Amino acid sequence: QQQVKQSPQSLIVQKGGISIINCAYENTAFDYFPWYQQFPGKGPALLIAIRPDVSEKKEGRFTISFNKSAKQFSLHIMDSQPGDSATYFCAATRSWGYQKVTFGIGTKLQVIP
Amino acid sequence: DAGVTQSPTHLIKTRGQQVTLRCSPKSGHDTVSWYQQALGQGPQFIFQYYEEEERQRGNFPDRFSGHQFPNYSSELNVNALLLGDSALYLCASSSTGQGSYEQYFGPGTRLTVT
Repeated sequence: QQQVKQSPQSLIVQKGGISIINCAYENTAFDYFPWYQQFPGKGPALLIAIRPDVSEKKEGRFTISFNKSAKQFSLHIMDSQPGDSATYFCAATRSWGYQKVTFGIGTKLQVIP
Repeated sequence: DAGVTQSPTHLIKTRGQQVTLRCSPKSGHDTVSWYQQALGQGPQFIFQYYEEEERQRGNFPDRFSGHQFPNYSSELNVNALLLGDSALYLCASSSTGQGSYEQYFGPGTRLTVT
């Protein structure tokens, strides 16, 4: 059962463009939604996260939009740079009790000059 | 401040063998979770340790076992290795005692089973 669905699985964006990755979840017990960035041969690094009581969160060039009623959330990378080329995972977890993180399948982003 | 560390970096084993992977959590963290990441997939939760006890487990067989030590470090053991166990094994730490739910990942151990 894929509890967090992520799309697209691959994305090519030109330098300076906007990268958009979408995710949807099923379990309404989730109340914390982190995004991770992973470079080849490295572990996932926490990028930005949001709680469902907030509809948008922005940190630098990275913005999360959250739609609680639709159970969807998305990551926007503004002014995409070649250094942003990596695999991005959306995830969901509970902020209470046992906190295993459920990951999406990942989006491989390539930013071309 | 050291982050999450894992050892070894790479490991090659033969089918049927046993393997032990090690993890040291980020300073101040008391909870360790283990994940398996197959090539081209997202990490899959194996289990989580807190206060030296396994408190949650994912859909993995009993061949996967673990341990947490008093200093919060942890080991992941896999017995009777199968070719399908080849993956990147990730350790993540967090702080249950401080009520923090953010998980920080180590660089992983790449296990190849031949």
